[in-house]
Amino acid sequence: QQPVQSPQAVILREGEDAVINCSSSKALYSVHWYRQKHGEAPVFLMILLKGGEQKGHDKISASFNEKKQQSSLYLTASQLSYSGTYFCGTELGNRDDKIIFGKGTRLHILP
Amino acid sequence: KAGVTQTPRYLIKTRGQQVTLSCSPISGHRSVSWYQQTPGQGLQFLFEYFSETQRNKGNFPGRFSGRQFSNSRSEMNVSTLELGDSALYLCASTIGGGELFFGEGSRLTVL
Repeated sequence: QQPVQSPQAVILREGEDAVINCSSSKALYSVHWYRQKHGEAPVFLMILLKGGEQKGHDKISASFNEKKQQSSLYLTASQLSYSGTYFCGTELGNRDDKIIFGKGTRLHILP
Repeated sequence: KAGVTQTPRYLIKTRGQQVTLSCSPISGHRSVSWYQQTPGQGLQFLFEYFSETQRNKGNFPGRFSGRQFSNSRSEMNVSTLELGDSALYLCASTIGGGELFFGEGSRLTVL
């Protein structure tokens, strides 16, 4: 039931792009994306609801393919501040369902 | 607006003891979820409380329990501690579905 994230870790240079994938074996109601910096609490990035929508703000966006039960997070022209661990969380049934997180993707941005 | 507050922030216990962790959600938030975070395992869902009722439960043994009070504050208890219970325990609140607001966590070390 835990979504699978890939890659597990990625190292980029500032200005490069990154894609983080999240896949589930079950039909999804929604996908959440969070970022956690070392020693800090996870912070919400965005939610995508079933319907195949795409969201984004600044240079971080995400897509949700309901049929494939997959979501991808896109980080464009990465900045040093993007470093951290990214988690996708999935809800299966409805908005009151529990949110199950993947194991995370560690992203390190080099200057 | 005050964030999610968790106490204590750090604690050390020995095997066999029990521990109680506290979480005060953001004012107005009625849902409180608990997660266990260990290296490499991501955020493991423990349980969620909404209006003093356990609404969702994860796959943890019965040694892990929780409750929620009428003011939405929540506690979780772990009895008969094991070495494997060493982890960061995160609490998150939400109005009801949607964005989770995480506290900074309670780091438990079991010796």
